[in-house]
Amino acid sequence: ETGVTQSPTHLIKTRGQQVTLRCSSQSGHNTVSWYQQALGQGPQFIFQYYREEENGRGNFPPRFSGLQFPNYSSELNVNALELDDSALYLCASSRTGGGNYNEQFFGPGTRLTVL
Amino acid sequence: AQKITQTQPGMFVQEKEAVTLDCTYDTSDPSYGLFWYKQPSSGEMIFLIYQGSYDQQNATEGRYSLNFQKARKSANLVISASQLGDSAMYFCAMRDFDTGNQFYFGTGTSLTVIP
Repeated sequence: ETGVTQSPTHLIKTRGQQVTLRCSSQSGHNTVSWYQQALGQGPQFIFQYYREEENGRGNFPPRFSGLQFPNYSSELNVNALELDDSALYLCASSRTGGGNYNEQFFGPGTRLTVL
Repeated sequence: AQKITQTQPGMFVQEKEAVTLDCTYDTSDPSYGLFWYKQPSSGEMIFLIYQGSYDQQNATEGRYSLNFQKARKSANLVISASQLGDSAMYFCAMRDFDTGNQFYFGTGTSLTVIP
């Protein structure tokens, strides 16, 4: 069991709306990464948070934003939703600065549908 | 440029047989990590095996082994004694330390184990 949890499991929104997805990292992990996985594709890196700051970003527009909290949990916010934002959003936790740097464990994902 | 290439969209294997899933990667960073993940239809990404760029021996984890050929930049996953539960999508990923903690994923290989 990975210990990474995500909520909600499924979500349906309409174009132009805003959405917030949540992730709790595994115990002992201080870094959270977010990925977007479109149907039939591999996960695409959105961004990573470490020490409550963005620590790397993929090729996603500014309407994708995030937060990390002192307990290392994280939120992904998407504004002005577009149809192409429909995807599985995966959160992954890891540890920066010690421990097994090769570990990255994923949560079960949030499936977002934009109508 | 594509960092991770998986050229087999779909593979079939007879139960109890071994199967090799191909993965090639592209990086100029001497320090990197290679990962394989399994994604069942439920959507969760399950970590299988890790190989560091400086590791001298091929990684093994139970029925999973990684055939690491550094000069060819390939990191093929070998699954021995296939089981019906191995049917899933398999993703190869690379952590390129030159670009921080970002993980790059391939497009995946769908493995079907035939009874």
